[in-house]
Amino acid sequence: GAVVSQHPSRVICKSGTSVKIECRSLDFQATTMFWYRQFPKQSLMLMATSNEGSKATYEQGVEKDKFLINHASLTLSTLTVTSAHPEDSSFYICSARNPNRDSAGYGYTFGSGTRLTVV
Amino acid sequence: GESVGLHLPTLSVQEGDNSIINCAYSNSASDYFIWYKQESGKGPQFIIDIRSNMDKRQGQRVTVLLNKTVKHLSLQIAATQPGDSAVYFCAEKESHDMRFGAGTRLTVKP
Repeated sequence: GAVVSQHPSRVICKSGTSVKIECRSLDFQATTMFWYRQFPKQSLMLMATSNEGSKATYEQGVEKDKFLINHASLTLSTLTVTSAHPEDSSFYICSARNPNRDSAGYGYTFGSGTRLTVV
Repeated sequence: GESVGLHLPTLSVQEGDNSIINCAYSNSASDYFIWYKQESGKGPQFIIDIRSNMDKRQGQRVTVLLNKTVKHLSLQIAATQPGDSAVYFCAEKESHDMRFGAGTRLTVKP
């Protein structure tokens, strides 16, 4: 089945530094990937849609200059949290859509998430 | 779904009982719905899906019911097991985006 690998699974960084999170589709090409953010005991909130070869589409209220998204290839999207602050601490999850729409779940496959802690 | 960002409601059931988890979705134009299971520290896992032209779909031990009139979705888990303990989210597909409901934490008591 479709596999999405997300790395790192956990990261601790100092306030003011930047952190990059990678999302890779391992056995399919994904023209579209999605980035979600999840606070403890809350739901997943869509941050942005990452489109291969073009600019990401950000949800209202998400700062595009703070959360930089790059989707340079059909199998890799990266999310960079710039100048991180403690309030950016959260669980970040990516999703990639397998264009084979007969796949279960309409082809949406999720990574295992990245726990970011900013100290 | 439910207002995203609210703290998770919880459901506690006895092992062997049936569980019913409910979800209200927001967009009447959504044409596809999915139930996901999320264990602590992991990404969501697909459980079952349903298209808007259906009102019921069954899987192994799970059934999803869709009521488009009231924009309501439910997940029924038969003979709930300890391994079913997790957070369950409904999601609706709007165009190409997948948007999540508030989620419910299911706890199975032995």
